[in-house]
Formats: sequence, structure tokens, C-alpha cells
Amino acid sequence: RKEVEQDPGPFNVPEGATVAFNCTYSNSASQSFFWYRQDCRKEPKLLMSVYSSGNEDGRFTAQLNRASQYISLLIRDSKLSDSATYLCVVNELRGYNKLIFGAGTRLAVHP
Amino acid sequence: GAGVSQSPSNKVTEKGKDVELRCDPISGHTALYWYRQSLGQGLEFLIYFQGNSAPDKSGLPSDRFSAERTGGSVSTLTIQRTQQEDSAVYLCASSLGGGGKNIQYFGAGTRLSVL
Repeated sequence: RKEVEQDPGPFNVPEGATVAFNCTYSNSASQSFFWYRQDCRKEPKLLMSVYSSGNEDGRFTAQLNRASQYISLLIRDSKLSDSATYLCVVNELRGYNKLIFGAGTRLAVHP
Repeated sequence: GAGVSQSPSNKVTEKGKDVELRCDPISGHTALYWYRQSLGQGLEFLIYFQGNSAPDKSGLPSDRFSAERTGGSVSTLTIQRTQQEDSAVYLCASSLGGGGKNIQYFGAGTRLSVL
């Protein structure tokens, strides 16, 4: 079993739609969680940190369920510019921030 | 610039040759990480440096891979006797420190193609 699992997609949605991605992780001792965004042939960039029960940033909402070991990302009112791959990232904090990356979920927003 | 800088951006080499990839972290960042991303895959951890501490090399896939960090700043990842399966994007990241809530910032990567 992979340490961090995501549905690879692609999710094809129209502009204005609401879309949600889920991610599961295997290590129950994981301390913190992130969503990174990666555009085609670009480096990953931090989208949101998820530290406790979840947080919201504009159109983006991240939720954490420790009991079930999953994290979700909700994007409301999708824009064309949201098209990217979304990486679920788990920090196992092995004396330092050891980040474990999921393979990513691809989102394509169309007009 | 103020970000993580990697060079070269692209490298094409022949099987069996050695390659060196360079990473220049954000000024003041003490932690430096190397990752590998194969096509359609997530990022695979390779190695972690923190200040003058011994690096965590647990992610290096074979003894053909090695990395150094000189003066606590610039790092070089060396792949000896490259193989076709080494073809990937090699990403470097840095953070203020190794622990707590320090965010990792990534460079644009080096795209390595082994023919």
C-alpha cells in the first residue's frame, strides 16, 4: 500500500463547478498535512497547510479526518486557472519535516 | 532571484556517463532536500541536509547516487554511470529549518534524460 494515495483523475469540470479531491495516508503518526499545486512541467507550490481539523482560504477548503486518515480539498467556483495537478502531502516529522507526496490528482477546468 | 535555483534546467546524457546537478537554496535556509519525480509519479525523497548535521541519505536509490552540501549552502547531486531509469525531474527544496511548520520551497528542477 502506498503511503499517500490519491485518485489520479483527471477531473474534468466546467468553470464555476465545485470539485473535491480525497487523499488517504497510511501512517497514523503523521503530524501535519499539506496540499501543493503543480502546473505542467513546473515545480510544486504550496497551496494550503492543514494543521488541525481543517482550514479555508478563499475558494479552497481543506479538511482533515485523523480517525479515518484522510484529507480532502474542496474547490468552489472553479476557474480555468485552477487547472493543475494537486498533490496531497503528509509530514511524518521524523526529527525533521519528511514530506511524503501523493502522485497527484489532475484537474482540468473547461469553459 | 530570491527563490531556489537549480542548474542545468535540462540535461541530456548518454547511458554510463556521470552527471552533476546543482541546487542553490534560498539565502538563510538551513534545510535542503532533493527529490526525484518520474513521469506521472509523485515526488520521491532522496536526501536531506540540515546545517552541519549528518544528512539523511535514506532515499538514495543506489550507491551511484551521492550528494554534497558545501558551506551549508549550495548542494550538488551526482549520479554516476547513469542508467535510462534515472531519467526524471530532479527537484531541490529548501526551508528555514528542518522541523516545526517550516514550509519547503521548490526550485524549477533539472529534467534529466538518459539516452
